[in-house]
Amino acid sequence: QVQLVQSGAEVKKPGASVKVSCKASGYTFTSYDINWVRQATGQGLEWMGWMNPNSGNTGYAQKFQGRVTMTRNTSISTAYMELSSLRSEDTAVYYCAKDGPPNWFDPWGQGTLVTVSS
Amino acid sequence: QSALTQPASVSGSPGQSITISCTGTSSDVGGYNYVSWYQQHPGKAPKLMIYDVSNRPSGVSNRFSGSKSGNTASLTISGLQAEDEADYYCSSYTSSSSYVFGTGTKVTVL
Repeated sequence: QVQLVQSGAEVKKPGASVKVSCKASGYTFTSYDINWVRQATGQGLEWMGWMNPNSGNTGYAQKFQGRVTMTRNTSISTAYMELSSLRSEDTAVYYCAKDGPPNWFDPWGQGTLVTVSS
Repeated sequence: QSALTQPASVSGSPGQSITISCTGTSSDVGGYNYVSWYQQHPGKAPKLMIYDVSNRPSGVSNRFSGSKSGNTASLTISGLQAEDEADYYCSSYTSSSSYVFGTGTKVTVL
């Protein structure tokens, strides 16, 4: 079955960077975009951007432009999301999600908690 | 891009029907038939319930249905069951080639 498995929880200091991985299985990794969505504790969902695993092309939400980088390693069917210059407001659960395709997100990874604290 | 507007909470008794609204603009909900809905139980990842306004993925109960009129999309849950108690989010494609989520609605089964 189609599955996305994410890396484990991270604790980072303000100003640092974090890189979250998302390993895909059960389908052809290069055939569907991967999106990243985050959710602060008790808050709603926030779309961060997309990456095309075949071309490497990306599209980022304006809010994260300049701070987020989405990449992939096709040999291991894994997508990555790196967020830099972390601040406390970046504390959230980060999800990867496969494109529908397109225009919807299914399935989702299990989520990765990133905590930013001094 | 501002979040789509949803009611903070909706409640109903078992067996009743409830409807959750999702209001955007002509640049998102009103401009495209690319509205999707997600169910999220506490501590879990979101699950796709409706895509392209009114389509149900296989495995999703036919008690869930979606529609759209103008800049407002709606999710209806009929025959409300205890297991439907969760948070629900809408999402839409936008004219900026991006996506935007709704503010989220907590559904309570009384």
